[in-house]
Amino acid sequence: ILNVEQSPQSLHVQEGDSTNFTCSFPSSNFYALHWYRWETAKSPEALFVMTLNGDEKKKGRISATLNTKEGYSYLYIKGSQPEDSATYLCARNTGNQFYFGTGTSLTVIP
Amino acid sequence: NAGVTQTPKFQVLKTGQSMTLQCAQDMNHEYMSWYRQDPGMGLRLIHYSVGAGITDQGEVPNGYNVSRSTTEDFPLRLLSAAPSQTSVYFCASSLVSGTGAYGYTFGSGTRLTVV
Repeated sequence: ILNVEQSPQSLHVQEGDSTNFTCSFPSSNFYALHWYRWETAKSPEALFVMTLNGDEKKKGRISATLNTKEGYSYLYIKGSQPEDSATYLCARNTGNQFYFGTGTSLTVIP
Repeated sequence: NAGVTQTPKFQVLKTGQSMTLQCAQDMNHEYMSWYRQDPGMGLRLIHYSVGAGITDQGEVPNGYNVSRSTTEDFPLRLLSAAPSQTSVYFCASSLVSGTGAYGYTFGSGTRLTVV
């Protein structure tokens, strides 16, 4: 994998459903993996920074895991709410440079 | 605490014109960077700086210049605007460079149209 890839590109879920998305990245020259939440008409906001293989981070109903050996990270949202609607970006850090994926656009239907 | 401040928010340029996008942060962040965001593509790094007096190129540096004379400011200059530079530009900063251990703080973006 040459670039950071995210799947799915977009997702519609019902309020209360749990969901997850994937971020795949090259496992070489890995420093850190970041997740950002980007609401329409706003700026991306940092959710998680993960550096170690096996890292798990949690913030409220949102959590993330990291596998640096196979080059993927999962973001989970438990009990989705309409306010979770946003684009979720992941970014791979190689020291001084970040490479962003194109994001997963989540819409939570009330 | 203002965070990262970008100006202007919107700009229309004619082909060939030059302009400077301003970025300032008040968090004493060591690392600052400029990205452009285009439909269907992820944020792409234009230039970055790991401290005052030090800048380097990212993925898509052609047509852009930067300088970092102070810790707080990191302006992006378009030398001769082209329609291909129509995009949304984001400035972002981070406490420390080189490790990726700190998340970015993003500015609010500048929407640039080149006609």
